[in-house]
Amino acid sequence: GESVGLHLPTLSVQEGDNSIINCAYSNSASDYFIWYKQESGKGPQFIIDIRSNMDKRQGQRVTVLLNKTVKHLSLQIAATQPGDSAVYFCAEMAQGGKLIFGQGTELSVKP
Amino acid sequence: GAVVSQHPSWVICKSGTSVKIECRSLDFQATTMFWYRQFPKQSLMLMATSNEGSKATYEQGVEKDKFLINHASLTLSTLTVTSAHPEDSSFYICSARDTWGRVSEQYFGPGTRLTVT
Repeated sequence: GESVGLHLPTLSVQEGDNSIINCAYSNSASDYFIWYKQESGKGPQFIIDIRSNMDKRQGQRVTVLLNKTVKHLSLQIAATQPGDSAVYFCAEMAQGGKLIFGQGTELSVKP
Repeated sequence: GAVVSQHPSWVICKSGTSVKIECRSLDFQATTMFWYRQFPKQSLMLMATSNEGSKATYEQGVEKDKFLINHASLTLSTLTVTSAHPEDSSFYICSARDTWGRVSEQYFGPGTRLTVT
């Protein structure tokens, strides 16, 4: 089902540190899992995706890990920068391309 | 990269009136578009799937007569909030899937802030 939170968990990190944002998903049949970044007042921005037959995928400064056994997804951001401050959502792609979004995590980067 | 626009970016309307929000894919064809609603400090909630040339598919709990969706071309979908009430105030976001792209590729618009007074 859909996940809607009443408030957003927050993660505060120091500039230059690595960030790890976690997400639990519900549907073991989902084919794709996607991470989005959303800045205040804007639409979500694609970061990275991973297919269900993979465990890990790396992009520029980001890595997504998928653990299907426990239905867990994580996003690792290396050398976090102030510009990374935003809300991060994981999403699973259901049948027909529908995206079911997770609760979201607000990342705050301290300079 | 693929760009999706929304118009207007924000709108204020009086209770009982209707508001139309447009979602356009600017440089690609989108057979399928999606409409989401987002309340402050919350996640995106899928409202409906909009398919070009056919009726939209609404998620459970979303009133199809209140949220009218029209997807008349491969680049345009509209969402009309009819007889708006203050509780309809929200951030409405559309996304579009590239007809010829990867299954996972979905591009989001910048959102429309609706305030009903």
